[in-house]
Amino acid sequence: TQLLEQSPQFLSIQEGENLTVYCNSSSVFSSLQWYRQEPGEGPVLLVTVVTGGEVKKLKRLTFQFGDARKDSSLHITAAQPGDTGLYLCVKRGNFGNEKLTFGTGTRLTIIP
Amino acid sequence: DVKVTQSSRYLVKRTGEKVFLECVQDMDHENMFWYRQDPGLGLRLIYFSYDVKMKEKGDIPEGYSVSREKKERFSLILESASTNQTSMYLCASSLSPVKTSGRATIYNEQFFGPGTRLTVL
Repeated sequence: TQLLEQSPQFLSIQEGENLTVYCNSSSVFSSLQWYRQEPGEGPVLLVTVVTGGEVKKLKRLTFQFGDARKDSSLHITAAQPGDTGLYLCVKRGNFGNEKLTFGTGTRLTIIP
Repeated sequence: DVKVTQSSRYLVKRTGEKVFLECVQDMDHENMFWYRQDPGLGLRLIYFSYDVKMKEKGDIPEGYSVSREKKERFSLILESASTNQTSMYLCASSLSPVKTSGRATIYNEQFFGPGTRLTVL
């Protein structure tokens, strides 16, 4: 199973700074999701993007789906300690099914 | 709120032991999934189930089996635990996908349990 590559693997920044994390694949996504996993918990869905070039905002989080539907980015403005967690990008198979492929994850730490 | 619960948060077993991990969801979801999560490898699907008594192999089923006797419960079984099965195990559930009048399929969100951290000594 091809994993999605996420970068950076680890990121530690000060509260109030901006950051961007990336998700890349060599194959096209039918749809892409971003999840956040807090310590000791399971992942929780943040957003689903379907259309190439799509941009979705969730408060201070901006999600973008690449035009070619092979990559995605998550931008956080004015990071808060509550943003700390493992961010996972997830794609569904090209032919559409219940199976999800998870990225390697970006572990984000926001320092107060 | 959807709730997915797992029987244990932490479990320590010895090599060769039979291990049962239980998962229960309270939202009448048709689909249930078992993943393992390892650093640098993301979540990998072990098995999933679309219905009672139904199971499908995921990407890494070797060394595992599953049981779905009731809709709300999905069990993961390690017949003979080995040290390379030390991992975080996550269960998830979702509603079945919905086909729209336009032939598009809407897939529903997977809801995850808190995980079981299994250590095999």
